[in-house]
Amino acid sequence: EAQVTQNPRYLITVTGKKLTVTCSQNMNHEYMSWYRQDPGLGLRQIYYSMNVEVTDKGDVPEGYKVSRKEKRNFPLILESPSPNQTSLYFCASSLLPNTEAFFGQGTRLTVV
Amino acid sequence: GQNIDQPTEMTATEGAIVQINCTYQTSGFNGLFWYQQHAGEAPTFLSYNVLDGLEEKGRFSSFLSRSKGYSYLLLKELQMKDSASYLCAAFKQAGTALIFGKGTTLSVSS
Repeated sequence: EAQVTQNPRYLITVTGKKLTVTCSQNMNHEYMSWYRQDPGLGLRQIYYSMNVEVTDKGDVPEGYKVSRKEKRNFPLILESPSPNQTSLYFCASSLLPNTEAFFGQGTRLTVV
Repeated sequence: GQNIDQPTEMTATEGAIVQINCTYQTSGFNGLFWYQQHAGEAPTFLSYNVLDGLEEKGRFSSFLSRSKGYSYLLLKELQMKDSASYLCAAFKQAGTALIFGKGTTLSVSS
């Protein structure tokens, strides 16, 4: 089954404790991206990747890192999480930037 | 600057037709997306328009006018299950970051 898988689905952590949210797709897609979704602000792109080893900043990249060492995986790294990074995070992949994106199930992160 | 605007909320009744508008300002247009998002779920793709005009896909149609920086999503024969948020999105510039509108929450009542 074609899918984008994020883990974990829920995470509560403390300020400053490094964490990684994983994202994997099995559709051989070139383009992958991370979003955060906050009430009243909508969906905002954090980082995107056009292909392996090619990543770039989205609209709200501060406080986040990503890597794309393999085509299928695109982890999101928070080196020192802060409470303002409490949010719902989505990973998405598409064959190309201007084609249908498939989203993961979401990761609800709470930083206390 | 780059911006996407859409109404915050809309209401309609079952069987009706509703039009959700979206206006955008981007540095270089490279197509406009519509996504549907039910509460508590991930967004799902509805349409992508890159040329002017109307594209129909079952009960849903999407329209684009590049000269006016305007798009709309038309939903016909509304059903209760169409109650969801509808998200409009476009690239800041071709091949760069994707920006979304804040979404339009549609409530369909019987």
